[in-house]
Amino acid sequence: NAGVTQTPKFQVLKTGQSMTLQCAQDMNHNSMYWYRQDPGMGLRLIYYSASEGTTDKGEVPNGYNVSRLNKREFSLRLESAAPSQTSVYFCASSTADEKLFFGSGTQLSVL
Amino acid sequence: LAKTTQPISMDSYEGQEVNITCSHNNIATNDYITWYQQFPSQGPRFIIQGYKTKVTNEVASLFIPADRKSSTLSLPRVSLSDTAVYYCLVGGDYAGFQKLVFGTGTRLLVSP
Repeated sequence: NAGVTQTPKFQVLKTGQSMTLQCAQDMNHNSMYWYRQDPGMGLRLIYYSASEGTTDKGEVPNGYNVSRLNKREFSLRLESAAPSQTSVYFCASSTADEKLFFGSGTQLSVL
Repeated sequence: LAKTTQPISMDSYEGQEVNITCSHNNIATNDYITWYQQFPSQGPRFIIQGYKTKVTNEVASLFIPADRKSSTLSLPRVSLSDTAVYYCLVGGDYAGFQKLVFGTGTRLLVSP
């Protein structure tokens, strides 16, 4: 059972470039989340999706867009990357009683 | 949204019991209280969850007073491998949506 799978694991971008982070879960969870974690800091919620076809902003949504493609997949897009978006990005899904399951993360550097 | 407050860091020695308290004064009726453990370069991992009173599993206990405005994670007989950041998370169903926001976490250092 793979759980939550994120790709890629590492990525280096130049300022202004765009990219999409992919996330898929095989646990049949309705809710999915994107968090970012800056070095030495806690996790901050970027966007979440309560169910297929719905998305909503979290604490730090500026500069990001998301797509809930189907129940399994939830992607995060950076349209024009900035150095301030250098971070580790975690995707998660949750059970109905709010237990979160995380992917292994994507380490993103924007130069 | 219920906001959580935890100590920034704690130190302990191997074999000791560690208690980490989280304050969540604005917890809503439907909110669960969930604790996670995070090692460097990894995503957080679920430890334990409760709604009220006491919950125990194979790795920890969770104590929740009647007013539910705080909770205490208890780690019995810690080892070096318990060195990690521990997060208390309180979240709920707001108008049909879950919105789970993390606090700053507690950095636990276990020494020999």
